Amino acid sequence: QKEVEQNSGPLSVPEGAIASLNCTYSDRGSQSFFWYRQYSGKSPELIMFIYSNGDKEDGRFTAQLNKASQYVSLLIRDSQPSDSATYLCAVNMGGGATNKLIFGTGTLLAVQP
Amino acid sequence: GAGVSQSPSNKVTEKGKDVELRCDPISGHTALYWYRQSLGQGLEFLIYFQGNSAPDKSGLPSDRFSAERTGGSVSTLTIQRTQQEDSAVYLCASSFAGHGDTQYFGPGTRLTVL
Repeated sequence: QKEVEQNSGPLSVPEGAIASLNCTYSDRGSQSFFWYRQYSGKSPELIMFIYSNGDKEDGRFTAQLNKASQYVSLLIRDSQPSDSATYLCAVNMGGGATNKLIFGTGTLLAVQP
Repeated sequence: GAGVSQSPSNKVTEKGKDVELRCDPISGHTALYWYRQSLGQGLEFLIYFQGNSAPDKSGLPSDRFSAERTGGSVSTLTIQRTQQEDSAVYLCASSFAGHGDTQYFGPGTRLTVL
Protein backbone atom coordinates (compact mmCIF):
# COMPACT_ATOMS: atom_id res chain seq x y z
CA GLN A 1 0.00 0.00 0.00
CA LYS A 2 1.35 3.40 -0.98
CA GLU A 3 1.89 5.80 1.89
CA VAL A 4 0.22 8.76 0.16
CA GLU A 5 -2.36 8.03 -2.50
CA GLN A 6 -3.93 10.29 -5.07
CA ASN A 7 -6.02 9.63 -8.14
CA SER A 8 -3.73 10.37 -11.07
CA GLY A 9 -6.56 11.81 -13.16
CA PRO A 10 -6.86 13.66 -15.37
CA LEU A 11 -9.63 15.47 -13.57
CA SER A 12 -11.43 17.63 -16.09
CA VAL A 13 -13.69 20.46 -14.94
CA PRO A 14 -15.27 23.37 -16.82
CA GLU A 15 -14.11 26.91 -16.16
CA GLY A 16 -15.89 28.37 -13.15
CA ALA A 17 -16.66 25.01 -11.55
CA ILE A 18 -15.32 23.61 -8.27
CA ALA A 19 -12.42 21.19 -8.59
CA SER A 20 -12.09 18.64 -5.79
CA LEU A 21 -8.75 16.91 -5.30
CA ASN A 22 -8.39 14.08 -2.81
CA CYS A 23 -5.55 12.40 -0.94
CA THR A 24 -5.36 9.57 1.58
CA TYR A 25 -2.38 8.68 3.75
CA SER A 26 -1.35 5.62 5.69
CA ASP A 27 0.33 6.93 8.85
CA ARG A 28 -2.20 7.87 11.50
CA GLY A 29 0.48 9.81 13.39
CA SER A 30 1.02 12.29 10.56
CA GLN A 31 0.82 15.87 11.70
CA SER A 32 1.24 18.24 8.77
CA PHE A 33 -0.16 18.19 5.27
CA PHE A 34 0.70 20.20 2.21
CA TRP A 35 -0.69 20.81 -1.26
CA TYR A 36 1.73 21.78 -3.99
CA ARG A 37 0.95 22.78 -7.58
CA GLN A 38 3.34 21.75 -10.33
CA TYR A 39 3.12 23.07 -13.85
CA SER A 40 4.62 20.91 -16.56
CA GLY A 41 8.40 21.24 -16.57
CA LYS A 42 8.43 23.40 -13.44
CA SER A 43 9.18 22.76 -9.79
CA PRO A 44 6.43 22.39 -7.17
CA GLU A 45 5.05 25.53 -5.56
CA LEU A 46 3.18 25.57 -2.27
CA ILE A 47 -0.56 26.18 -2.43
CA MET A 48 -1.61 25.47 1.14
CA PHE A 49 -0.71 23.66 4.32
CA ILE A 50 -3.00 22.38 7.05
CA TYR A 51 -2.27 20.96 10.49
CA SER A 52 -5.65 20.76 12.23
CA ASN A 53 -8.86 18.89 11.49
CA GLY A 54 -11.43 20.90 9.58
CA ASP A 55 -11.29 23.43 6.79
CA LYS A 56 -8.73 26.10 5.99
CA GLU A 57 -9.54 28.69 3.36
CA ASP A 58 -7.20 30.89 1.35
CA GLY A 59 -8.79 32.79 -1.50
CA ARG A 60 -10.24 30.32 -4.00
CA PHE A 61 -8.56 27.38 -2.25
CA THR A 62 -9.87 25.36 0.68
CA ALA A 63 -7.97 22.52 2.31
CA GLN A 64 -9.93 19.98 4.31
CA LEU A 65 -8.38 17.56 6.80
CA ASN A 66 -9.96 14.58 8.51
CA LYS A 67 -7.34 12.77 10.58
CA ALA A 68 -9.75 10.06 11.74
CA SER A 69 -10.35 9.08 8.12
CA GLN A 70 -6.73 9.84 7.13
CA TYR A 71 -7.98 12.03 4.34
CA VAL A 72 -7.02 15.47 3.08
CA SER A 73 -8.56 17.32 0.18
CA LEU A 74 -8.16 20.52 -1.80
CA LEU A 75 -11.10 22.41 -3.26
CA ILE A 76 -10.56 25.02 -5.94
CA ARG A 77 -13.52 27.33 -6.44
CA ASP A 78 -14.18 29.23 -9.67
CA SER A 79 -11.59 27.11 -11.49
CA GLN A 80 -9.58 28.91 -14.15
CA PRO A 81 -7.64 27.50 -17.11
CA SER A 82 -4.50 28.75 -15.36
CA ASP A 83 -5.23 26.27 -12.55
CA SER A 84 -4.51 23.43 -14.98
CA ALA A 85 -1.53 21.63 -13.45
CA THR A 86 -0.58 18.59 -11.40
CA TYR A 87 -1.49 18.90 -7.73
CA LEU A 88 0.76 17.06 -5.30
CA CYS A 89 -0.32 16.05 -1.82
CA ALA A 90 2.54 15.80 0.69
CA VAL A 91 2.46 14.46 4.23
CA ASN A 92 4.95 14.75 7.07
CA MET A 93 4.82 11.26 8.51
CA GLY A 94 7.56 11.74 11.06
CA GLY A 95 5.24 12.44 13.97
CA GLY A 96 7.20 15.60 14.62
CA ALA A 97 10.56 13.86 14.66
CA THR A 98 11.46 14.72 11.10
CA ASN A 99 10.40 17.11 8.39
CA LYS A 100 10.69 14.51 5.65
CA LEU A 101 7.71 14.78 3.30
CA ILE A 102 6.15 11.84 1.52
CA PHE A 103 4.53 12.88 -1.73
CA GLY A 104 1.69 11.35 -3.67
CA THR A 105 2.11 10.90 -7.40
CA GLY A 106 -0.18 13.85 -8.07
CA THR A 107 -3.52 14.53 -9.74
CA LEU A 108 -3.55 16.19 -13.12
CA LEU A 109 -6.24 18.88 -13.27
CA ALA A 110 -7.48 20.18 -16.60
CA VAL A 111 -9.79 23.21 -16.54
CA GLN A 112 -11.68 23.53 -19.80
CA PRO A 113 -12.38 27.10 -21.02
CA GLY B 1 18.97 35.05 -2.21
CA ALA B 2 15.29 35.40 -3.10
CA GLY B 3 14.72 31.70 -3.62
CA VAL B 4 16.36 28.30 -3.73
CA SER B 5 18.84 28.08 -6.59
CA GLN B 6 20.24 24.98 -8.21
CA SER B 7 22.98 24.34 -10.71
CA PRO B 8 23.37 23.21 -13.35
CA SER B 9 19.84 23.41 -14.73
CA ASN B 10 20.61 20.57 -17.12
CA LYS B 11 23.30 17.92 -17.04
CA VAL B 12 23.95 15.26 -19.65
CA THR B 13 26.52 12.65 -18.76
CA GLU B 14 27.69 9.25 -19.89
CA LYS B 15 26.97 6.10 -17.98
CA GLY B 16 29.67 5.45 -15.41
CA LYS B 17 30.68 9.06 -14.90
CA ASP B 18 30.31 10.94 -11.61
CA VAL B 19 28.14 14.06 -11.33
CA GLU B 20 27.75 16.80 -8.75
CA LEU B 21 24.57 18.81 -8.34
CA ARG B 22 24.53 22.00 -6.31
CA CYS B 23 21.83 23.62 -4.18
CA ASP B 24 21.90 27.05 -2.58
CA PRO B 25 19.00 27.37 -0.09
CA ILE B 26 17.05 30.45 0.89
CA SER B 27 19.11 32.61 3.23
CA GLY B 28 18.29 31.84 6.85
CA HIS B 29 16.72 28.47 6.16
CA THR B 30 18.26 25.83 8.39
CA ALA B 31 16.76 22.75 6.76
CA LEU B 32 17.62 21.48 3.29
CA TYR B 33 16.15 18.55 1.36
CA TRP B 34 16.91 16.67 -1.82
CA TYR B 35 14.20 14.92 -3.83
CA ARG B 36 14.17 13.09 -7.15
CA GLN B 37 11.34 13.14 -9.68
CA SER B 38 11.36 10.67 -12.52
CA LEU B 39 9.27 11.27 -15.63
CA GLY B 40 5.57 11.16 -14.76
CA GLN B 41 6.27 10.21 -11.15
CA GLY B 42 5.87 11.88 -7.81
CA LEU B 43 8.72 13.23 -5.73
CA GLU B 44 11.00 10.70 -4.06
CA PHE B 45 12.71 11.84 -0.84
CA LEU B 46 16.49 11.38 -0.88
CA ILE B 47 18.12 13.17 2.07
CA TYR B 48 17.40 15.87 4.66
CA PHE B 49 19.80 18.17 6.54
CA GLN B 50 18.72 20.06 9.66
CA GLY B 51 21.20 22.43 11.22
CA ASN B 52 24.15 20.58 12.73
CA SER B 53 22.25 17.33 13.24
CA ALA B 54 23.20 14.14 11.44
CA PRO B 55 21.40 14.07 8.09
CA ASP B 56 18.46 11.74 7.42
CA LYS B 57 19.84 9.63 4.58
CA SER B 58 17.02 7.11 4.59
CA GLY B 59 15.92 7.91 1.03
CA LEU B 60 19.23 7.50 -0.76
CA PRO B 61 18.68 4.66 -3.26
CA SER B 62 22.21 3.25 -3.20
CA ASP B 63 25.70 3.92 -1.89
CA ARG B 64 26.50 5.63 -5.19
CA PHE B 65 24.53 8.60 -3.87
CA SER B 66 25.92 10.97 -1.25
CA ALA B 67 25.37 14.54 -0.17
CA GLU B 68 27.17 17.17 1.82
CA ARG B 69 26.13 20.46 3.30
CA THR B 70 29.00 22.80 4.02
CA GLY B 71 28.78 25.60 6.54
CA GLY B 72 25.09 24.97 7.04
CA SER B 73 24.28 26.48 3.67
CA VAL B 74 25.18 25.16 0.21
CA SER B 75 24.67 21.46 -0.46
CA THR B 76 26.13 19.17 -3.08
CA LEU B 77 24.51 15.90 -4.17
CA THR B 78 27.02 13.52 -5.74
CA ILE B 79 26.13 10.52 -7.84
CA GLN B 80 29.02 8.18 -8.58
CA ARG B 81 29.19 5.79 -11.52
CA THR B 82 25.92 7.07 -12.94
CA GLN B 83 23.40 4.63 -14.40
CA GLN B 84 20.62 5.29 -16.91
CA GLU B 85 18.01 4.80 -14.18
CA ASP B 86 19.49 7.82 -12.39
CA SER B 87 18.03 10.04 -15.11
CA ALA B 88 15.50 12.32 -13.41
CA VAL B 89 14.94 15.84 -12.19
CA TYR B 90 16.72 16.41 -8.89
CA LEU B 91 14.93 18.96 -6.75
CA CYS B 92 16.27 20.75 -3.72
CA ALA B 93 14.07 22.43 -1.12
CA SER B 94 14.70 24.43 2.02
CA SER B 95 12.64 25.40 5.04
CA PHE B 96 13.01 27.80 7.92
CA ALA B 97 13.24 25.62 10.98
CA GLY B 98 12.57 21.96 10.27
CA HIS B 99 9.67 20.26 11.92
CA GLY B 100 6.45 20.86 10.04
CA ASP B 101 7.68 23.96 8.26
CA THR B 102 6.93 24.74 4.67
CA GLN B 103 9.46 23.61 2.11
CA TYR B 104 10.28 25.84 -0.84
CA PHE B 105 11.63 24.21 -3.97
CA GLY B 106 14.36 25.21 -6.35
CA PRO B 107 14.01 24.93 -10.15
CA GLY B 108 15.67 21.53 -10.25
CA THR B 109 18.49 19.94 -12.20
CA ARG B 110 17.49 17.69 -15.07
CA LEU B 111 20.00 14.84 -15.23
CA THR B 112 20.21 12.69 -18.33
CA VAL B 113 22.50 9.65 -18.30
CA LEU B 114 23.24 8.32 -21.77
